[in-house]
Amino acid sequence: EVVMTQSPTTLSVSPGERATLSCRASQSVTNNLAWYQQKPGQAPRLLIYGASNRATGIPARFSGSASGTEFTLTISSLQSEDFAVFYCQQYNNWPLTFGGGTRVEVK
Amino acid sequence: EVQLLESGGGLLQPGGSLRLSCTASGYTFTTYAMSWVRQAPGKGLECVSSISGNSASVTYADSVKGRFTVSRDSSKNTLYLQMNSLRAEDTAVYYCARRSGTYGGDFDYWGQGTLVTVSS
Repeated sequence: EVVMTQSPTTLSVSPGERATLSCRASQSVTNNLAWYQQKPGQAPRLLIYGASNRATGIPARFSGSASGTEFTLTISSLQSEDFAVFYCQQYNNWPLTFGGGTRVEVK
Repeated sequence: EVQLLESGGGLLQPGGSLRLSCTASGYTFTTYAMSWVRQAPGKGLECVSSISGNSASVTYADSVKGRFTVSRDSSKNTLYLQMNSLRAEDTAVYYCARRSGTYGGDFDYWGQGTLVTVSS
């Protein structure tokens, strides 16, 4: 099983600031890596697929990058609606696995 | 507009059975694989099962293998999850999610979820 490790667990950021979230895979997943945002009481929403491609309707302030088994989600300037929990997920191998999540909270 | 609507959740005792349904609309159902993803209260996400667009490929997480069965009915645009021998640790919100390809891919659309509670 591919273990996905996200860091940090919680990130405190002021509105307008940049947020950088990390995700590490325990083995290669090529670029079959997605990022999701989940707000309380809601289903997750796809943000990024293929490690760096924004999903339909996702603002340009969200970007993804990859270096080997290390993946990064960057939110360039946090808006009030961005505060949530973010999950990375690999879809290269079964079982499909998610990271434990990073909560982005208001500083 | 793609829509996924789950139903069938509820409260039941350990050892019981339940069938979840997910009705899809707004796209050609057989073109895309589908999955069930669950989230225990206050916890992260776990993909428990996936089925290809033509039902030829079916996979299960070890935690549910032998107890859960996924299926789909293209005539009804509906995905199912038959859950047997339920345990307390199966308590979760169950989401159906569309995968972005016929045999795999990311989860590009999600339903709103249905809560399953297993408790005596």
